[in-house]
Amino acid sequence: KAGVTQTPRYLIKTRGQQVTLSCSPISGHRSVSWYQQTPGQGLQFLFEYFSETQRNKGNFPGRFSGRQFSNSRSEMNVSTLELGDSALYLCASSFSGQHNEQFFGPGTRLTVL
Amino acid sequence: AQSVTQLGSHVSVSEGALVLLRCNYSSSVPPYLFWYVQYPNQGLQLLLKYTSAATLVKGINGFEAEFKKSETSFHLTKPSAHMRDAAEYFCAVTYSGGGADGLTFGKGTHLIIQP
Repeated sequence: KAGVTQTPRYLIKTRGQQVTLSCSPISGHRSVSWYQQTPGQGLQFLFEYFSETQRNKGNFPGRFSGRQFSNSRSEMNVSTLELGDSALYLCASSFSGQHNEQFFGPGTRLTVL
Repeated sequence: AQSVTQLGSHVSVSEGALVLLRCNYSSSVPPYLFWYVQYPNQGLQLLLKYTSAATLVKGINGFEAEFKKSETSFHLTKPSAHMRDAAEYFCAVTYSGGGADGLTFGKGTHLIIQP
């Protein structure tokens, strides 16, 4: 079956702009989690959605938000971009939650200039 | 709050030698533990997971890990390294409720294989 897909793969934005990233989970998976990966901070949990509801949220400012649709596809939005938001954003899906195996997408590389 | 410590940001071994990547965790409740591998420009792939069944867990590509509660450790090993094992390895912890911490990752260990 098809894996987790993320679009776009690469994105360049300027400070102050906003951005929306998209994630399509594996068919049948209802849990979608988002992570930010940077060289300095490593992999950090942003939030998890399950059946269109945010179930868990990491320690990120309110500029980071997300949502999940009825088909389990998820979007992540970052408003008022800062230079420090430059990172690889990874999406992962699982059948029922983070205690199960998560399947990761290839990520979206966001560069903020 | 849960946390993971991976000892050694870089580990270098010769091809054919034993691979040992160290991971220690802290969790106030019984944990779920994972090892993931990341190849350049790719997402993460699950190597193995511990979910309170057998303490010795076998994964893909010849890797295995042993859960030691007394030492709060979950070290990853492979008897004989191959060049294709060169990658970044992440240990991660969560528990059944998930909670605000979600899946907590260690900082990662870059495995270098010397020919």
